[in-house]
Amino acid sequence: GAVVSQHPSWVICKSGTSVKIECRSLDFQATTMFWYRQFPKQSLMLMATSNEGSKATYEQGVEKDKFLINHASLTLSTLTVTSAHPEDSSFYICSAKAGDEIKNIQYFGAGTRLSVL
Amino acid sequence: GENVEQHPSTLSVQEGDSAVIKCTYSDSASNYFPWYKQELGKRPQLIIDIRSNVGEKKDQRIAVTLNKTAKHFSLHITETQPEDSAVYFCAASNSGAQKLVFGQGTRLTINP
Repeated sequence: GAVVSQHPSWVICKSGTSVKIECRSLDFQATTMFWYRQFPKQSLMLMATSNEGSKATYEQGVEKDKFLINHASLTLSTLTVTSAHPEDSSFYICSAKAGDEIKNIQYFGAGTRLSVL
Repeated sequence: GENVEQHPSTLSVQEGDSAVIKCTYSDSASNYFPWYKQELGKRPQLIIDIRSNVGEKKDQRIAVTLNKTAKHFSLHITETQPEDSAVYFCAASNSGAQKLVFGQGTRLTINP
């Protein structure tokens, strides 16, 4: 299957700082990428849909000014957690869409564990 | 919008036995249903999927069935092995919405 690379895999930061997470599709072009948040022992919660060359679509309740998404190329989307606070500590996973119009196959990155002190 | 319910939340079976995980969805427009397996600390991996124009699909020990009328689909794992232990997520989407809506997940444990 297609490969999605996500970096960093783990980051610790001080409260108030910003953290950028990168998501790359390595062997295919992805016009659409997705960002999820996953709490321990819980499901994947979609935060936003990232479309190349346009503004991201955020899910209800997700602050777009806090979670900045940029999808500047067909292989790269970034998520920046701005002014991070301890409650932002979580596991963030990206995915990239492949397949045809009906088969919405998503290939996932390995995730980024964010710890805000 | 779409809502996906998944049961059970935990499932424990003896090695060699079968495991069944069930999901229901609410949006009749949904037409694509994948299943993902997530091992501890790792990324979700697609293990099987089915489109709404098919009632059943099988890949070795794994099969998925879909009942469009009742709006539910199930994952069947036969001859379970210890490496099948993981969290399994079902999901649903329609071609217009692009995004996947995930179920709550099932933690499957295979007892040797």
